Amino acid sequence: DGGITQSPKYLFRKEGQNVTLSCEQNLNHDAMYWYRQDPGQGLRLIYYSQIVNDFQKGDIAEGYSVSREKKESFPLTVTSAQKNPTAFYLCASRTGTGASSNQPQHFGDGTRLSIL
Amino acid sequence: AQKITQTQPGMFVQEKEAVTLDCTYDTSDPSYGLFWYKQPSSGEMIFLIYQGSYDQQNATEGRYSLNFQKARKSANLVISASQLGDSAMYFCAMRERSGGYNKLIFGAGTRLAVHP
Repeated sequence: DGGITQSPKYLFRKEGQNVTLSCEQNLNHDAMYWYRQDPGQGLRLIYYSQIVNDFQKGDIAEGYSVSREKKESFPLTVTSAQKNPTAFYLCASRTGTGASSNQPQHFGDGTRLSIL
Repeated sequence: AQKITQTQPGMFVQEKEAVTLDCTYDTSDPSYGLFWYKQPSSGEMIFLIYQGSYDQQNATEGRYSLNFQKARKSANLVISASQLGDSAMYFCAMRERSGGYNKLIFGAGTRLAVHP
């Protein structure tokens, strides 16, 4: 089945530790996105990428890093610089790269990150 | 400035009745797209319906329809014949063009509870 796979489903981070959230898609989508969702709130954009080896900061990129070495993979690293990482993280992808494209984003099932 | 406003934190509806979830938006771009997503308690984001700024007719998708009033900058979601499984968070989002890139801006969401 085609889709977006996020792993792990739950992740715990110790103080001062970097952790990496995985996002893989087999939809052959060009654009990929990472969002953060805090309880009872909407989604905020962390990073996005429209093509391999290119990515852009979203609204809340501080304390996070990404890479896009392969079309199907867009891992997110939550660094120790992110002082409040506890949240629900969602990865999304979309076909097409045009700025005017109105293709919907499709989402993975998310990763819940907590601090130990 | 908030670009997507969902004024209803929570809504209740009786099973089999229709419900309208409000969404207003703000943009100066003549070309934009509006999306509605459903988020059940499990966390995944499910794409429901899309409306383009140049679309002449209101979008419909099964029991979902979009009441698009361009002059008022509103894009309300109408769910007909509510079912218990419709209980979830609902998010309105707008496609924003930024420096040749394409990203979504989300509202804060409306929690819908369907009662038997």
